[in-house]
Amino acid sequence: NAGVMQNPRHLVRRRGQEARLRCSPMKGHSHVYWYRQLPEEGLKFMVYLQKENIIDESGMPKERFSAEFPKEGPSILRIQQVVRGDSAAYFCASSPRYGENTEAFFGQGTRLTVV
Amino acid sequence: AQSVTQLDSHVSVSEGTPVLLRCNYSSSYSPSLFWYVQHPNKGLQLLLKYTSAATLVKGINGFEAEFKKSETSFHLTKPSAHMSDAAEYFCVVSDQLINTGTASKLTFGTGTRLQVTL
Repeated sequence: NAGVMQNPRHLVRRRGQEARLRCSPMKGHSHVYWYRQLPEEGLKFMVYLQKENIIDESGMPKERFSAEFPKEGPSILRIQQVVRGDSAAYFCASSPRYGENTEAFFGQGTRLTVV
Repeated sequence: AQSVTQLDSHVSVSEGTPVLLRCNYSSSYSPSLFWYVQHPNKGLQLLLKYTSAATLVKGINGFEAEFKKSETSFHLTKPSAHMSDAAEYFCVVSDQLINTGTASKLTFGTGTRLQVTL
């Protein structure tokens, strides 16, 4: 059973370009979470999705950022017109549909560098 | 609302001596609490979790944590540090959503960097 898979592991974009980060949850998991880790900081929640639904996007910047988790395929975090301040590690996590144990399993992250 | 405070940003111990990483939490519901470890340029690994069962939780690599509701604390300990324990440690809280029973978002502390010296 493969873990949470994120790709690419490293992504370099010039200012103004678009960044697409992909996350394939663990098998059987239908909840996906995206977190951002800025240098020397903890992880900050961005968005929580279930299949085809955004449940909580309270941590998403109002502009340029969007996320989706389609019925088929991975979850995508999209950043349009990237700026230097978007440089960070972006982590995806997934969890099972139900259960009191709310453990989330994390991927290894995508490190975005904006030059 | 939920929040986590990690009281020390850096902790340095000698190899073979005990480790104590402190964490206090705030939660509106019955919380789940976790400790994650992050090695340099790696992903996050779950060390242990508390989900309203036993208050003393044992995790991997000899770590354990005790949930103290009266003190709203969930400190991480290890009797004897090893060089390989050097990493960033995150205390995390998750409120149980009473209505659905599913996970709400995780709230991370700012991390404690553990340094282990010879």
